Amino acid sequence: GAVVSQHPSRVICKSGTSVKIECRSLDFQATTMFWYRQFPKQSLMLMATSNEGSKATYEQGVEKDKFLINHASLTLSTLTVTSAHPEDSSFYICSARRTGRTEAFFGQGTRLTVV
Amino acid sequence: AQRVTQPEKLLSVFKGAPVELKCNYSYSGSPELFWYVQYSRQRLQLLLRHISRESIKGFTADLNKGETSFHLKKPFAQEEDSAMYYCALSGRNENTPLVFGKGTRLSVIA
Repeated sequence: GAVVSQHPSRVICKSGTSVKIECRSLDFQATTMFWYRQFPKQSLMLMATSNEGSKATYEQGVEKDKFLINHASLTLSTLTVTSAHPEDSSFYICSARRTGRTEAFFGQGTRLTVV
Repeated sequence: AQRVTQPEKLLSVFKGAPVELKCNYSYSGSPELFWYVQYSRQRLQLLLRHISRESIKGFTADLNKGETSFHLKKPFAQEEDSAMYYCALSGRNENTPLVFGKGTRLSVIA
């Protein structure tokens, strides 16, 4: 149990376009999901905490208008990178917490390349 | 502010040798501590959490509140233990963020 699926696993987009990444908890309900960004050979940087039915809480320095997060159901959160630029190229990872628990389970990540 | 510090970027040990991956934290309150592992080309996996007090794949970690540490230990390293290990911290409320240290790459040499 506790499987988190992230889609797509890889995406290449043109500069100026928007990209949506989905994060689904397949076999459990997740009130809280997290979005991270990971640069090569570096740790996970928390971008935002996504709570079902409410606005996401963004970490300092993360532009909420650029990284739109929607958590419309207990099994799905989406991250939309708007007007993407090459500097947004990165590995984006989501994680989900089973409702009432504190350990998190991770998606396989999405490699975004903006050309 | 909550912070997780893993002082070693890389730790190399010989097969069969003991392993200790260090983790120190700062948090105002009662945190929950976790160790996650990432094997090559795989997603992050939960290895263990301090409140479970269990041993997974031979690894254990004890929360030392006095030293604010949660070091990961294994008495005899195996080659398959080679991976990236991340220490992480969260508040006890499910809405509090899960924050990671920078990670330590463990390399077990045959």
